[in-house]
Amino acid sequence: SQQGEEDPQALSIQEGENATMNCSYKTSINNLQWYRQNSGRGLVHLILIRSNEREKHSGRLRVTLDTSKKSSSLLITASRAADTASYFCATDARGSGAGSYQLTFGKGTKLSVIP
Amino acid sequence: GAVVSQHPSRVICKSGTSVKIECRSLDFQATTMFWYRQFPKKSLMLMATSNEGSKATYEQGVEKDKFLINHASLTLSTLTVTSAHPEDSSFYICSALGTGGWYEQYFGPGTRLTVT
Repeated sequence: SQQGEEDPQALSIQEGENATMNCSYKTSINNLQWYRQNSGRGLVHLILIRSNEREKHSGRLRVTLDTSKKSSSLLITASRAADTASYFCATDARGSGAGSYQLTFGKGTKLSVIP
Repeated sequence: GAVVSQHPSRVICKSGTSVKIECRSLDFQATTMFWYRQFPKKSLMLMATSNEGSKATYEQGVEKDKFLINHASLTLSTLTVTSAHPEDSSFYICSALGTGGWYEQYFGPGTRLTVT
């Protein structure tokens, strides 16, 4: 099964509303990252939250991490049409030891913000 | 900072030919780069990990003779799709491992490969 499953798969909201996307994972992680991808483009790193952190903010973004539930959420406040994109969470594959720093991506949430 | 470029951004090739895709870290040195493949409306699938000066490590199910990876310098990794077939058509994305304490990956803009 796949590490980093996001839900919902698709989300459509009105401009100005908040958007919340969730991510669940299965194995132990050292950090979890959220990325944004515009259609047909590369990924843009949004935020990284470490396993010993519970919440992190960056501008209009708020990320939470619950390691006991193996889940994370990404909240985008006061959404704009320009926020329309796919959002992916990614977890590293390492356990407690050193590793190859590989990321495992979820399937993503496609967010549409309607002006 | 931490910019990764890919070239070309789009390529169309005929079945049976080979295509080379370049991934460059523009303002930092990257000992490790990753190559991903993304199918339409799907997530990224890690193909291989490329380490400068050594052989790439391929993920299970990825043919190393078909997807040749060369990481000859600290700023350049190349992926060559050999004897391309239509099923190799996909979006290929590379990333370079940052040198910060928590090893963020910086992604290139991707290369759209279409094999006719």
